[in-house]
Amino acid sequence: QVQLVESGGGVVQPGRSLRLSCAASGFTFSSYGMHWVRQAPGKGLEWVAVTQYDGSKKNYADSVKGRFTISRDQSKNTLYLQMNSLRAEDTAVYYCARNVNAMDVWGQGTTVTVSS
Amino acid sequence: QTVVTQEPSFSVSPGGTVTLTCGLSSGSVSTNHFPSWYQQTPGQAPRTLIYRTNIRSSGVPDRFSGSIFGNKAALTITGAQADDECDYYCVLYMGSDIWVFGGGTKLTVL
Repeated sequence: QVQLVESGGGVVQPGRSLRLSCAASGFTFSSYGMHWVRQAPGKGLEWVAVTQYDGSKKNYADSVKGRFTISRDQSKNTLYLQMNSLRAEDTAVYYCARNVNAMDVWGQGTTVTVSS
Repeated sequence: QTVVTQEPSFSVSPGGTVTLTCGLSSGSVSTNHFPSWYQQTPGQAPRTLIYRTNIRSSGVPDRFSGSIFGNKAALTITGAQADDECDYYCVLYMGSDIWVFGGGTKLTVL
C-alpha cells in the first residue's frame, strides 16, 4: 500500500541543523511531487515546501525560505528536508505528503524540538 | 499576504448537517485554487477528505461533500456522527507552487 514514513526528528539547539527524511513506498515515487507540512504544538497546519516530481522546481513558505532545503533521491525513494539555522518557532511535527492536487497521502510525522 | 480563513469553531447536533467554509482575506475562492479538506484527530496525521473542490478521497463516506459556496470553498457534513468531532483544515493553491492552509475549524458534535 502507499506509505510515507518520516524520520530524523529530535531535539536540537537554536542555530543548529537537522535533516528530515521521508521514505516512500507502494507507488512510483519519481512520478509525484512531494510536500513538507508542519504543525507547531497546539497550532494548525502550515505548508512548508514542495518539490516537483523530478526535483526541477521547488518552493518554500516565507517562514523557512533561505533556511530550509527540500530535495529528493529518486534511487532511494526518499524525500528530504534540510533545516538550517533552526529557531524555537520551528518546533513542530513535520509531515511529508504526496502532491496530488494538494496533499493526498500523509506520513505519520516526525517531531522536531528546537530548544537550548 | 493572503490569509485563508476558516471558522475557529462550529457546533452540530448528532444527525445534523453542518457546512464549514474556507475563504480568502482578499478575493474569492474558485476551483482554480484546488481547495482541499483534511480531517485531523488529536495526535494523528491529517486525513484527506476532499480534493479539487469536490472529489472525495478513497474511503471517505458520501456524508462528506465539497463545493464552492458563494465566494468560499465549503465542506458539508450530513448526518453528523460523534466521531466527526475533530479539527478540519482547508488548503488553497495560490499559484507559483505556493499553498496556504486555513487556521482550522474545531467541530463539536453535541
